[in-house]
Amino acid sequence: AQSVTQLGSHVSVSEGALVLLRCNYSSSVPPYLFWYVQYPNQGLQLLLKYTTGATLVKGINGFEAEFKKSETSFHLTKPSAHMSDAAEYFCAVSGVGNEKLTFGTGTRLTIIP
Amino acid sequence: GAGVSQTPSNKVTEKGKYVELRCDPISGHTALYWYRQSLGQGPEFLIYFQGTGAADDSGLPNDRFFAVRPEGSVSTLKIQRTERGDSAVYLCASSLRPTGELFFGEGSRLTVL
Repeated sequence: AQSVTQLGSHVSVSEGALVLLRCNYSSSVPPYLFWYVQYPNQGLQLLLKYTTGATLVKGINGFEAEFKKSETSFHLTKPSAHMSDAAEYFCAVSGVGNEKLTFGTGTRLTIIP
Repeated sequence: GAGVSQTPSNKVTEKGKYVELRCDPISGHTALYWYRQSLGQGPEFLIYFQGTGAADDSGLPNDRFFAVRPEGSVSTLKIQRTERGDSAVYLCASSLRPTGELFFGEGSRLTVL
């Protein structure tokens, strides 16, 4: 079984500041890890994913995440926040060969001008 | 269409009524998923189709919920004898292949009075 925990249901950062959204996972098998973003009135959109190989994963819109097995973490970062980054972000996990995703409860990101 | 289409976008019904929610996936996508997102929660897996068959229906909460995909394209999620606890946003996603990137629709918001 897999699960993810997102620390902080709401995060606020100033425009231009570092964005850090935290995700810890639990998995009995090697995990696939994902970050999805949901803008208001839009469907979930894949930001990035980790399957195998390089542990630092780069995604769209300048976001990246690092898979740290020793810490069971997959935190999402962006060096400089933009107003357009305001949205809800979901971390998700699946096992290798398991098509269904288990999502976290989400983190709502607010950007302060 | 270019993306995953879900209808209706909003459905209000009375307790005990029957409801159908429709998903039209991206053309050519063989895998189709239904998720349910309750207020303040992340999406929760319901069922996964590969082609016409339900490959994994372990997320369906009880026998009031049923889904079909008779021709391997459009899918319908059917809920019998609706209860107030069924109120949620029902999300559909499709992918070109299993474990490929999921493309989500905007969801169908179901409210049971």
